[in-house]
Formats: sequence, structure tokens, C-alpha cells
Amino acid sequence: DTGVSQNPRHKITKRGQNVTFRCDPISEHNRLYWYRQTLGQGPEFLTYFQNEAQLEKSRLLSDRFSAERPKGSFSTLEIQRTEQGDSAMYLCASSLIWGANVLTFGAGSRLTVL
Amino acid sequence: EDQVTQSPEALRLQEGESSSLNCSYTVSGLRGLFWYRQDPGKGPEFLFTLYSAGEEKEKERLKATLTKKESFLHITAPKPEDSATYLCAVQAGSGGTSYGKLTFGQGTILTVHP
Repeated sequence: DTGVSQNPRHKITKRGQNVTFRCDPISEHNRLYWYRQTLGQGPEFLTYFQNEAQLEKSRLLSDRFSAERPKGSFSTLEIQRTEQGDSAMYLCASSLIWGANVLTFGAGSRLTVL
Repeated sequence: EDQVTQSPEALRLQEGESSSLNCSYTVSGLRGLFWYRQDPGKGPEFLFTLYSAGEEKEKERLKATLTKKESFLHITAPKPEDSATYLCAVQAGSGGTSYGKLTFGQGTILTVHP
């Protein structure tokens, strides 16, 4: 297993365009999380899946953001009509349900909105 | 609402100069306190989990401790390769849909000069 994989690593887009990020978690992990991190800040929780069910969404997740995890495997995070304030690192993490519940993070997808 | 505050925001040390990073938290029902290390352009890397006041964990030059209101990350005789951002996070609750979600502090940027 190569850990949590995120693609693309970098995305530059113009304001108003749609972007989609993909996350492939560690295969045996049931839980998948999306976080957003801006410069100089810690990661902020966006949403979380247990298998294919989206169980919690942060107030930070506006209607322009949508996340899916079909079949409980990979996940996508789509941002519609991007704004400059969406520029950030989008981090995906996965974990087991039981035990220490340690979150393993991917390297992130950096979004720059011009 | 769960809150995590880390201090100092930045710390510059000479190689071999020991010091400590602080993480103060308020949370309703602490499930665990986590320390992560983050290198520039990468996702957070897990270091430690602490579950109850008085607990300590060590890894190489790092030792994490926990009280009821704060945690310390002690760095003994640091080396330049210890330079990174150190993130503290809390996991609240004893089950349910929020189980597993982490609330992060803003991080402490550690620079160790040779």
C-alpha cells in the first residue's frame, strides 16, 4: 500500500471555473476525511465519510462544494464557480473505524484561483 | 466548540538547544490529543496520540506529555532535520458521527540552525 494518494497535486484555475480533486485512501480504511489548509493555519475539517455515507459536513462547506465517495473507495471533492478565497491546500485523510483512529494524510492538492 | 491554541507561532533554535512547544485545548470530552509534523508542501505526518492526563510518549528526540488543559512537545538536542511545522489536534466525543474528526491548532514553525 502506498498510503493516501491525491490528484492533481497542483491546480491553477480562473475564477468561476469548476475543479475536481480525487483522493484514493488506504485500501482497508473505512473513513475518509477532507480538510482545507491555508497558509500559516492548521487544517480545517470540511467533511467526512464512513464507507460511502457522508456523515458530517462543516459549516465551511458552502453549496459550491460537493464531495462523493461512490462504493466506499476513492473520493472526489468538486468546487463549482471557484472564488479567489478558495485558494488553499485540500488535504485528504483516511482512518480505520476502530482502534487508535489515527488519521493518515495524503500530500494534498494545492488550488490557486486567479 | 472545540478549540486548540499553539504557542509559540514560530521558534528558532540552535542545534542541540532543547525547548518545548505548547498546545492548549478546550474540548467537550477528550478522546485523544494528536501531534503531527508537517514539512513544506506535504501533508501532516502522525507523531503521537495521548489519551489521558499524565500520559507521556517518546520518539527519538521528541517527547509528548498531556495534562487536563494542555500538551507539551519537548524537543531534546534538536537537529536541523527536525525543522518543520508541528501541529496539535484534539479528537472529541466518545462515539457517534463525529468520532475521528480532528480539530487542529495553527501550528508552531520550528527552525533548527546548524
